[in-house]
Amino acid sequence: GESVGLHLPTLSVQEGDNSIINCAYSNSASDYFIWYKQESGKGPQFIIDIRSNMDKRQGQRVTVLLNKTVKHLSLQIAATQPGDSAVYFCAENSGGSNYKLTFGKGTLLTVNP
Amino acid sequence: SQTIHQWPATLVQPVGSPLSLECTVEGTSNPNLYWYRQAAGRGLQLLFYSVGIGQISSEVPQNLSASRPQDRQFILSSKKLLLSDSGFYLCASTAGVRSYEQYFGPGTRLTVT
Repeated sequence: GESVGLHLPTLSVQEGDNSIINCAYSNSASDYFIWYKQESGKGPQFIIDIRSNMDKRQGQRVTVLLNKTVKHLSLQIAATQPGDSAVYFCAENSGGSNYKLTFGKGTLLTVNP
Repeated sequence: SQTIHQWPATLVQPVGSPLSLECTVEGTSNPNLYWYRQAAGRGLQLLFYSVGIGQISSEVPQNLSASRPQDRQFILSSKKLLLSDSGFYLCASTAGVRSYEQYFGPGTRLTVT
């Protein structure tokens, strides 16, 4: 489905701090989730994914947490750097033979030096 | 790893003119292919997706059409552009027909004047 919104949620952090970006999803049948990073004027870049049989997954400086009880997903970025400034989208897939992703509205992360 | 090419990178077209945007994928076979549109400051709207050559699913009624003449080629077209067709068009590909991970191309910025 379409992700709509007139204003992106924003998060402003200081360089070196940890960032937490949150996402609520609506479909309890969703069993696969992805976080994307989109820099201005570029296509979204895959960051990390998680399946519904997990509640935590770690990558390089990033951790994704999944709480299926409240249908909540979060992306934690450790030691945030200016290069992390971008819009972050979560996406969900409802599984089965449906290979479409539903995207959240996005969060603009600004890292202050 | 796969690479997704889109061209042109930017395009300015008058209202009523035709449109053809092309997406090609390298490094994978039998991908699912997707066309998204992104308005400024907004999320991604899925326009079309394809699970195979000649197989196109439309997500929203609109002035656009899509075609997949080859396994790794996806084309977005219009016979007559509208002002509302302006936006950032993104092509995405999965690693295979049974994959949920979508990887995005660099996008085409379309301005209809």
